[in-house]
Amino acid sequence: IAGITQAPTSQILAAGRRMTLRCTQDMRHNAMYWYRQDLGLGLRLIHYSNTAGTTGKGEVPDGYSVSRANTDDFPLTLASAVPSQTSVYFCASSRLAGGGYNEQFFGPGTRLTVL
Amino acid sequence: GQNIDQPTEMTATEGAIVQINCTYQTSGFNGLFWYQQHAGEAPTFLSYNVLDGLEEKGRFSSFLSRSKGYSYLLLKELQMKDSASYLCAVSDNTDKLIFGTGTRLQVFP
Repeated sequence: IAGITQAPTSQILAAGRRMTLRCTQDMRHNAMYWYRQDLGLGLRLIHYSNTAGTTGKGEVPDGYSVSRANTDDFPLTLASAVPSQTSVYFCASSRLAGGGYNEQFFGPGTRLTVL
Repeated sequence: GQNIDQPTEMTATEGAIVQINCTYQTSGFNGLFWYQQHAGEAPTFLSYNVLDGLEEKGRFSSFLSRSKGYSYLLLKELQMKDSASYLCAVSDNTDKLIFGTGTRLQVFP
């Protein structure tokens, strides 16, 4: 693995189903993030984690949950998917949680369609 | 509230210069980032400004004025491969990135 990976690449899901999007980074970054990107709305932060064992809510957390059991993995779960969660989901990581220069590296994205 | 504004679309000709503006109003300021995103791909880092002034990196330059809440990304000697969306993002007082909606740049031959 080099950098940050996401799985699956794309998924079509029936409404009401549970889905977990996976994200793994091998850069030993402390902070990780989940965004959704919708046409005309840009990237919006769903949840974040400043370090393993901690998580926080972003701008649009409702309907999503995350966990950070270790440094490398940051899965995003949709407990009961709804059509409004149709979007492209990006996972990102950064070396530090803050304090100035804090470039975020993005995974390739997961395109999710909820029918 | 937090707000970042940038034009939705711009067009330019190969070899030309284009300036993409970004204005922001955020809760605190810990720096401004520009990212490039080709269609169907992930955003990739272009530049970071935290102090006023111009940062130059090859064909790309980024300018910041903190007092005006304003930045621009300058792309010189445009190439077809520069056709992409350009995202302006501000690191606020929680050190989270607030993204603008992006500017889609189309470069024509």
